Amino acid sequence: GDSVTQMEGPVTLSEEAFLTINCTYTATGYPSLFWYVQYPGEGLQLLLKATKADDKGSNKGFEATYRKETTSFHLEKGSVQVSDSAVYFCALSGAGSYQLTFGKGTKLSVIP
Amino acid sequence: DTGVSQDPRHKITKRGQNVTFRCDPISEHNRLYWYRQTLGQGPEFLTYFQNEAQLEKSRLLSDRFSAERPKGSFSTLEIQRTEQGDSAMYLCASGDTHYEQYFGPGTRLTVT
Repeated sequence: GDSVTQMEGPVTLSEEAFLTINCTYTATGYPSLFWYVQYPGEGLQLLLKATKADDKGSNKGFEATYRKETTSFHLEKGSVQVSDSAVYFCALSGAGSYQLTFGKGTKLSVIP
Repeated sequence: DTGVSQDPRHKITKRGQNVTFRCDPISEHNRLYWYRQTLGQGPEFLTYFQNEAQLEKSRLLSDRFSAERPKGSFSTLEIQRTEQGDSAMYLCASGDTHYEQYFGPGTRLTVT
């Protein structure tokens, strides 16, 4: 079945550092790929998405590129802020599927 | 934009009792999803409705679980004869496409 593997946390960075959170997936066909973010005390929010190979999703300074050849969708940000502290989830929606399949989440803490 | 709402936000119950949760989706969304999230894990899909029709159920949804969406608007998730293993956050999401699912704040269930 479909699965998502993302790097384990927690990840602690200083403000303005570069962020990469790795995500790889296993799926049949051509899934759509997502990053969701969960800020402390809040619900899951869609951060960005990509629906086909080589698409780049971007939002709030975060980017991720759908790499079919490496089955990856790594999340990057050039300069993190304290307000980016949250749990980040990589997810996919398989071709013809209704459901989202999530990774386990990566907790990011940004310190001033 | 009122967002997805869930009620109650927290529920503590004794093992063996029945519980019911409610989800009110974003009004124009015809798709509604239930997920379950345990500590340190990503959300796991439970079931999906398109309008009032329940189109997909996960194997996680044992016969003690039932979900309804009687008029294609709000949805309820009932757990009968609760067990300690049912303790989790129950998340509801809605959308008008599979590419974007908007999540509610969740109902945290604790079974004692």
